[in-house]
Amino acid sequence: DAKTTQPNSMESNEEEPVHLPCNHSTISGTDYIHWYRQLPSQGPEYVIHGLTSNVNNRMASLAIAEDRKSSTLILHRATLRDAAVYYCILRDVGGSARQLTFGSGTQLTVLP
Amino acid sequence: NAGVTQTPKFQVLKTGQSMTLQCAQDMNHEYMSWYRQDPGMGLRLIHYSVGAGITDQGEVPNGYNVSRSTTEDFPLRLLSAAPSQTSVYFCASSYWSTGGVNEQFFGPGTRLTVL
Repeated sequence: DAKTTQPNSMESNEEEPVHLPCNHSTISGTDYIHWYRQLPSQGPEYVIHGLTSNVNNRMASLAIAEDRKSSTLILHRATLRDAAVYYCILRDVGGSARQLTFGSGTQLTVLP
Repeated sequence: NAGVTQTPKFQVLKTGQSMTLQCAQDMNHEYMSWYRQDPGMGLRLIHYSVGAGITDQGEVPNGYNVSRSTTEDFPLRLLSAAPSQTSVYFCASSYWSTGGVNEQFFGPGTRLTVL
């Protein structure tokens, strides 16, 4: 599986936008970019995913570079509840197993 | 819908004891899986199943058994607990289709300590 690289930690002020970067320079043409987050003492939860075009949903936006070697998860207005570990994960559309390969993610701290 | 449920929430075992972690989902998902998460690390896949009667190994299967007799349930058995199995265990489920893009739903986890 192609690997992703994320900063270990980031800080944001409450009610400000947050941009969480992810590098995936070895991404293949059939890899989807997924983001999950894990709130303290909880299981991971799905945030968003995309292939080539930018994507928006009620939780966040995903901006994908034109060459697909990097992407950015955007939280438009961070709240204290958004403090979590954010995982950027690549999933091969043709993969035989449907597991998610988690790295160590980015710990987001939201300051009041 | 209850989603993905796991029991127990906490468990303490002695080395050599066996136990079963329970996982159930009410979303009629074909795909179910078990992960473990050690402190400060991401999740690692233990076993997974793509439907009743079908299971396969993930990244770290040693010391664990699974079975899938129904769509709803996917129990994880620790055969002879070891301190190295101290971890938080998460069960997940999703629809099974080509593309690998389906959202996975995770349970709240079972925190296991082996003394």
